[in-house]
Amino acid sequence: QVQLVESGGGLVKPGGSLRLACAASGFTFSDYYMSWIRQAPGKGLDWVSYISSSGGTIYYADSVKGRFTISRDNAKNSLYLQMNSLRAEDTAVYYCAREAGSGRFDYWGQGTLVTVSS
Amino acid sequence: DIQMTQSPSSLSASIGDGITITCRARQSIISYLNWYQQKPGKAPKLLIYAASSLQSGVPSRFSGSGSGTYFTLTINSLQPEDFATYYCQQSYSTPWTFGQGTKVEIE
Repeated sequence: QVQLVESGGGLVKPGGSLRLACAASGFTFSDYYMSWIRQAPGKGLDWVSYISSSGGTIYYADSVKGRFTISRDNAKNSLYLQMNSLRAEDTAVYYCAREAGSGRFDYWGQGTLVTVSS
Repeated sequence: DIQMTQSPSSLSASIGDGITITCRARQSIISYLNWYQQKPGKAPKLLIYAASSLQSGVPSRFSGSGSGTYFTLTINSLQPEDFATYYCQQSYSTPWTFGQGTKVEIE
C-alpha cells in the first residue's frame, strides 16, 4: 500500500535551518509529482512547493521562495525540503503528498512538526 | 493567486442530516476543484476531484458539483465519522490554493 513517512521536524531558532525528508513506498515514486503542504497550528492548509517526477520542474509559494528548496532522489524513493532562514510564521505541520494528476493530492504522509521559536 | 472562499466556516448538524458546503473561486477554475476531509491530528483525505468525481473508497453519500467559480460538496445522511473539517482546493493554476475550511460539528 502507498505510504509516505515524513521526518526531520523539530524545534529551531529563527534564522535557522532544517531539512525534512519523506520516504515513499508502495508505488513507483519516479512516476509522480510530489508536493509539500503545511498547516500552522489551528489553521488551514497552505501549499508550499512541488517537484515534477524527474525533478526538472519545481514551483514554490511566494512565501518560501528563495528560502526553501525542494528536491528528490528517485533511486532512494525520497523527497526532501531544505528550509533555510526560518521564521516564526513557518511553524507548522509539514506534509508530503503525492499528486495523482491535475494537482490533486491522493496520498498524504502523517506530517512532521516544525517549530520556529527562540 | 486564486483565492478560494468556503462557506459556512462552521456548521452544526445531526446524524442523518444532509449538508452542503460551498466553495467559490475568485476566477474561473473550470472543474479543477478538489475536496478533502481532515480529522483532528490526521492528514487530509481526498474525497472528490475534478469537482464531481468520487475518489476510490469514498462512500457514495459524498458528492460534488459545480464549475467555473461556484462549487458544492454535499454529504447525504451524515454519519458519526463525517464530523470533521472540509477543505476545497483549486488545481487550475499554481500556486495551488485551499479554502479556509468548514468545520462540521455534531449538533
